[in-house]
Amino acid sequence: QSALTQPASVSGSPGQSITISCTETSSDVGSYNLVSWYQQHPGKAPKLMIYEGSKRPSGVSNRFSGSKSGNTASLTISGLQAEDEADYYCCSYVGSSASVVFGGGTNLTVL
Amino acid sequence: EVQLVESGGGLVQPGRSLRLSCTASGFPFGDYAMGWFRQAPGKGLEWVGFIRSKAYGGATEYAASVKGRFTISRDDSKTIVYLQMNSLKTEDTAVYYCSRVVFGDYGRWFDPWGQGNLVTVSS
Repeated sequence: QSALTQPASVSGSPGQSITISCTETSSDVGSYNLVSWYQQHPGKAPKLMIYEGSKRPSGVSNRFSGSKSGNTASLTISGLQAEDEADYYCCSYVGSSASVVFGGGTNLTVL
Repeated sequence: EVQLVESGGGLVQPGRSLRLSCTASGFPFGDYAMGWFRQAPGKGLEWVGFIRSKAYGGATEYAASVKGRFTISRDDSKTIVYLQMNSLKTEDTAVYYCSRVVFGDYGRWFDPWGQGNLVTVSS
């Protein structure tokens, strides 16, 4: 079974940096494409923040960065701002099953 | 400006059908795959399915939870993608989003997303 595991919550103070992890927990490791990351504020549609693991769409702040080590992808937000408080989801296409999987989401609180 | 606008949601009884529409503008609609996603109240994002462009045969793929009940289709002349939902269950209650699918060399991503459309399945 394909799955991406994220921490349920993270927090940080304004100006600090935080990292959200996204771990592939499946025997299909190796079939996962590079992840994309989405930000979702309450009651709003998701917004693409990172694609293909580390690429940033036009218009997204360079405070957001993505990386991968082994079977764990990470989203780092530097210089935390109050507006960054939101839910964040990682996502990947799984080639072996021709499906799309999301992590369970991480709620970011800016203290 | 790339824009996606969903319509067609509402309250429906279990076992009945409902069709959602997503009207696109601001990009060459026929060149892109389009996807549907949902989010149950208080829960995370879930992929529903997507439809490839006509250049790739308009092939569809679905999540196991909806396969055989939901059908995605597209009308490139009207720049609309549809989600036909049959045999609805209470667990299909969610906000449904459409999104443009981008196929890259090393992944697929979804951008932008529509505003979302609430579907409530209840008797």
